[in-house]
Amino acid sequence: GESVGLHLPTLSVQEGDNSIINCAYSNSASDYFIWYKQESGKGPQFIIDIRSNMDKRQGQRVTVLLNKTVKHLSLQIAATQPGDSAVYFCAENGEGGGSNYKLTFGKGTLLTVNP
Amino acid sequence: DSGVTQTPKHLITATGQRVTLRCSPRSGDLSVYWYQQSLDQGLQFLIQYYNGEERAKGNILERFSAQQFPDLHSELNLSSLELGDSALYFCASANFGRLKGGYTFGSGTRLTVV
Repeated sequence: GESVGLHLPTLSVQEGDNSIINCAYSNSASDYFIWYKQESGKGPQFIIDIRSNMDKRQGQRVTVLLNKTVKHLSLQIAATQPGDSAVYFCAENGEGGGSNYKLTFGKGTLLTVNP
Repeated sequence: DSGVTQTPKHLITATGQRVTLRCSPRSGDLSVYWYQQSLDQGLQFLIQYYNGEERAKGNILERFSAQQFPDLHSELNLSSLELGDSALYFCASANFGRLKGGYTFGSGTRLTVV
């Protein structure tokens, strides 16, 4: 069945460095991808999304890259800050649209930023 | 505040008991999703409702049930609770007319079964 997984369960970086979090997906029909950030004790929050007709999208300090050939998604965080410490989830929508819209989530990567 | 409200925030109960978790979706969102999150399982999809109707089921146990009411709030009922049911339970809502942005999550209910 469809699955979304993360290559690295934990990532530790120094403050000010760039972070890259990776995600593999298996459903080639997925047309929409999202990165969520979950801080301790809170629900996941939307960071950035990308549609399958794009290969790159930039936000504020974040960039999402999509490689459909190898079914790979990555989240790049520039100048990582202590407030970026959280669990990051990728999610894909590959199971229909409209009222059947359902996201499939990866297991998450814990990002720790060291001061 | 995400606009999705979950109550209670914390719940401690004994094995064998029954609890009800409540979710009010963001204004305008017709769809509600329930997820269970434990340390080693990530976000596990339980069930989806759209405008009062069940639309999809995931890894939801038979001891668990849910419903969405006419005012669009949803309740997740967990019965015959076991220690392994201890987890964070998240509700999320979505607006299909605005696919962008995916789900909006509530802050969750932390259930501890003792």
